[in-house]
Amino acid sequence: RKEVEQDPGPFNVPEGATVAFNCTYSNSASQSFFWYRQDCRKEPKLLMSVYSSGNEDGRFTAQLNRASQYISLLIRDSKLSDSATYLCVVTNYGGSQGNLIFGKGTKLSVKP
Amino acid sequence: NAGVTQTPKFRVLKTGQSMTLLCAQDMNHEYMYWYRQDPGMGLRLIHYSVGEGTTAKGEVPDGYNVSRLKKQNFLLGLESAAPSQTSVYFCASSYSRYTDTQYFGPGTRLTVL
Repeated sequence: RKEVEQDPGPFNVPEGATVAFNCTYSNSASQSFFWYRQDCRKEPKLLMSVYSSGNEDGRFTAQLNRASQYISLLIRDSKLSDSATYLCVVTNYGGSQGNLIFGKGTKLSVKP
Repeated sequence: NAGVTQTPKFRVLKTGQSMTLLCAQDMNHEYMYWYRQDPGMGLRLIHYSVGEGTTAKGEVPDGYNVSRLKKQNFLLGLESAAPSQTSVYFCASSYSRYTDTQYFGPGTRLTVL
């Protein structure tokens, strides 16, 4: 089982739609979780951290389910500018890499 | 405040040639990282550094060397380039190792013929 798994998509949605992405991780000892956004041919940028209690930032809501080892990202009222690839990221403390483990990303395309 | 910069932005090499990629950050971060990103593979960590003068191997270190002689710079070297090293290379830096945002440079697109 891969450390971080995401549905690659693409998710094609109309403007104004609500869309949700899930991500599963294999290491139950993982401590920190993030969603990064990557635009086409650009560098990844932090979208939001994911906390156990769930957190919201405007139209974006992130949830963490430790028991089931999955992370979700909900985007409400999608905008054209939300079109990007969303990377699920997990930190495994003390692992051989000891750093961030990136999922392969879920591609979102928002259409007019 | 430029953040993280990378030089060069694009490069084409022939098999067997060598080159060095330069990463510079002006945020006084202790931690710096080199990743490669290939289609369908996601970002994979090559090497990282937890401070000036220190480096460590990541997930895919073979064929690469790194140096961190100054806190603000992290160099990635390809000793003898191979077509399998054709990729987009991203440098990143962060204040802390696990919990802090990693700031990425714009990337270097490398093609090895």
